[in-house]
Amino acid sequence: TQLLEQSPQFLSIQEGENLTVYCNSSSVFSSLQWYRQEPGEGPVLLVTVVTGGEVKKLKRLTFQFGDARKDSSLHITAAQPGDTGLYLCAGVNNDMRFGAGTRLTVKP
Amino acid sequence: KAGVTQTPRYLIKTRGQQVTLSCSPISGHRSVSWYQQTPGQGLQFLFEYFSETQRNKGNFPGRFSGRQFSNSRSEMNVSTLELGDSALYLCASSSGRTMNTEAFFGQGTRLTVV
Repeated sequence: TQLLEQSPQFLSIQEGENLTVYCNSSSVFSSLQWYRQEPGEGPVLLVTVVTGGEVKKLKRLTFQFGDARKDSSLHITAAQPGDTGLYLCAGVNNDMRFGAGTRLTVKP
Repeated sequence: KAGVTQTPRYLIKTRGQQVTLSCSPISGHRSVSWYQQTPGQGLQFLFEYFSETQRNKGNFPGRFSGRQFSNSRSEMNVSTLELGDSALYLCASSSGRTMNTEAFFGQGTRLTVV
């Protein structure tokens, strides 16, 4: 079983739509990171959230860390085909553990 | 500066053989972590090395081992390969001062066991 559960596992939407991806755990983390991975490449860090309740915005991406530091969400506004990829959350304590990821496809 | 380099990019091995994968971290980074990525399990943590010492270890059998050299380059070894070991093996380097620091991933080595 995964330490971090991501949902949905797959998401296919049209360009311009909004979406939210969730990352949930029963464990508390000192921080949580979100990565995006494209085919043939390693994951690339998008953001690190550290404080419970923290909200960070990166252009059209909004990241939220739950108050209890056990869960997080990623919201994308007006998705574009360039947002297509595998989105991974990673909980950080003494090491870094990943969720299985959400595979997003944005169709033009 | 140069990114994380993993070699080889692709590898095909036969069941029962052993394999060694290499990772050169970003210059100045002292922490190297290894992950196994499969479609069913996602990214699974193997182990992390910091200054030549294994600092953390995941839940993999003893067939999976690693080491780090004084120049921070790291190798991982898998002995007695099984079909289920087929996966993308990723390494990530970071400054390692805290676990919150950004991890930079290589492109991975895709291992196929036949």
